[in-house]
Amino acid sequence: AQTVTQSQPEMSVQEAETVTLSCTYDTSESDYYLFWYKQPPSRQMILVIRQEAYKQQNATENRFSVNFQKAAKSFSLKISDSQLGDAAMYFCAYRRDSNSGYALNFGKGTSLLVTP
Amino acid sequence: NAGVMQNPRHLVRRRGQEARLRCSPMKGHSHVYWYRQLPEEGLKFMVYLQKENIIDESGMPKERFSAEFPKEGPSILRIQQVVRGDSAAYFCASSPPKVAGSLTYNEQFFGPGTRLTVL
Repeated sequence: AQTVTQSQPEMSVQEAETVTLSCTYDTSESDYYLFWYKQPPSRQMILVIRQEAYKQQNATENRFSVNFQKAAKSFSLKISDSQLGDAAMYFCAYRRDSNSGYALNFGKGTSLLVTP
Repeated sequence: NAGVMQNPRHLVRRRGQEARLRCSPMKGHSHVYWYRQLPEEGLKFMVYLQKENIIDESGMPKERFSAEFPKEGPSILRIQQVVRGDSAAYFCASSPPKVAGSLTYNEQFFGPGTRLTVL
């Protein structure tokens, strides 16, 4: 079974600064997907960024980027120029690569506080 | 194109009652996933369904829980004889069928969740 670990229950960042959220995972698969989801107080799950394991290049979406270290099984999220609206729970997730579609396996989350 | 819809958004039940949670996937989506989020926890996979078929129910408790996705109508997650430990947020996600030969990842789109409170 795949496990996803987020070792930071809470993080704090000042507005306009940069913060990095960590995530490690355990798998014996070679092909898989990794994700970061944001869950604001509304509880809606919002996909922030996705990384395919076969791609060496780190994914980037505007102010959000990842540092994917496949050998170390590490997948951290960097948020640049933090904004008040970035405050939320952030979940790292893993999914096997499958033609049938497979469930997402989530970490326990990191609560991000953004201070003015 | 409306997103994934779940109803009710909030559901209160007394111990021993039944809870029925509904999920209408996005138009054209034939895959449905149910997840449960306990307080202070991440989402945990429960069951994966395609139209009229349960594909993977490895995360579903063996007793009292069942799920269906009929040919017509929404997917239903049913919890019989609820207990206080069933209090949680239940999320549904849907994805389109994967096109044979396509490398496009079939993203899961989440609904807003149903918060179940058992008194």
